[in-house]
Amino acid sequence: QVTLKESGPALVKPTQTLTLTCTFSGFSLRSTGMRVSWIRQPPGRALEWLARIDWDDDKQYNTSLKTRLTISKDTSKNQVVLIMTNMDPLDTATYYCARIGQQLVHDYWGQGTLVTVSS
Amino acid sequence: EIVMTQSPATLSVSPGEGATLSCRASQSIISNLAWYQQKPGQAPRLLIYDASTRATGIPARFSGSGSGTEFTLTISSLQSEDFAVYYCQQYNNWPSLTFGGGTKVEIK
Repeated sequence: QVTLKESGPALVKPTQTLTLTCTFSGFSLRSTGMRVSWIRQPPGRALEWLARIDWDDDKQYNTSLKTRLTISKDTSKNQVVLIMTNMDPLDTATYYCARIGQQLVHDYWGQGTLVTVSS
Repeated sequence: EIVMTQSPATLSVSPGEGATLSCRASQSIISNLAWYQQKPGQAPRLLIYDASTRATGIPARFSGSGSGTEFTLTISSLQSEDFAVYYCQQYNNWPSLTFGGGTKVEIK
């Protein structure tokens, strides 16, 4: 059974750095073809893909946010970490992690974690 | 970046009726398109991938079609649990992944 769960602070101040952790089970990021994405959704708005990390440690970022994002993995802990710098109130959103399986689509999602950026 | 445009933004449908949702890509994405369903307070759920292949456990009343730049999600007979927001997502322009703006299917 594949599960993913996001964790991190619910509230951050403007200009601070956000660190989110995705802890997963039921698959391994050592397995060829496995990938994990981070996706966010501002309240009442659409989904936005942020970043992805692959089994071979390849990393890709949304070009408009690339300078602020860092994604990494700890395969021994089955975790993927997303760091976003210089947080702004416009970054207020629910942040999801999701697995990309062999079909190259997001087939399993975490429940999401709401991050509010406010002073 | 490939822009995904969904229409209509909101679709009002009576239970038991069919619904047709559209998704247009700004350039050809062949058949590299997925559809997701999202209910309030929940994470999205994969419905369709490769434009027309239903994901595991998805009922047959959901079907996808299209290729190139024009795609359609059809729900043949809406059940109460189908009222939700639907998103399309392209994965042809790898590694950049883009979602559409969503279509809300509401009870008429």
